Amino acid sequence: NAGVTQTPKFRVLKTGQSMTLLCAQDMNHEYMYWYRQDPGMGLRLIHYSVGEGTTAKGEVPDGYNVSRLKKQNFLLGLESAAPSQTSVYFCASRDPQGRAFFGQGTRLTVV
Amino acid sequence: SQELEQSPQSLIVQEGKNLTINCTSSKTLYGLYWYKQKYGEGLIFLMMLQKGGEEKSHEKITAKLDEKKQQSSLHITASQPSHAGIYLCGADIGGQNFVFGPGTRLSVLP
Repeated sequence: NAGVTQTPKFRVLKTGQSMTLLCAQDMNHEYMYWYRQDPGMGLRLIHYSVGEGTTAKGEVPDGYNVSRLKKQNFLLGLESAAPSQTSVYFCASRDPQGRAFFGQGTRLTVV
Repeated sequence: SQELEQSPQSLIVQEGKNLTINCTSSKTLYGLYWYKQKYGEGLIFLMMLQKGGEEKSHEKITAKLDEKKQQSSLHITASQPSHAGIYLCGADIGGQNFVFGPGTRLSVLP
């Protein structure tokens, strides 16, 4: 049972570099989410999607872009990484009852 | 999220003691979800509450949603070291915008 899979698990970027985080779910869920978690800040919503081809901004969308070309995948992109984007990123998908299922996280460091 | 507040921020209890964590919203909640996160790992779903006055239990954990649906409590009876972690409440704030409280860090001393 794969559930929600995030890749990569760890990454170190230099300031100004770009990268894409991939989230894949095999539960046929419509809703998918990207969060970042920082010490003392809890989980903050970056972007979310309510279905294939749709995306919406969350609480902290600046500096990030997302795409949902396929129902099972939700990509989070950083076009020009900044040290402030050092964080642990979590992806989640939600079932029709509203329960969210999370990936194991991606630990990103921007130097 | 600013929409959800949790208290206390952290909690240290002796094994065997009971404890309560609270989650408060300034708006009516249409669904309140409790999650647990072990350090460095993803979140695990615990319970979902949708009706005012609803109460659910699983093993030694009980969650309640008040009648006005603006506050929820999570109560752990006879805590064990395995209960240690971060407890987060989550809720929809409109249009599937699913946000979380800042979390409560629980330590249980053996």
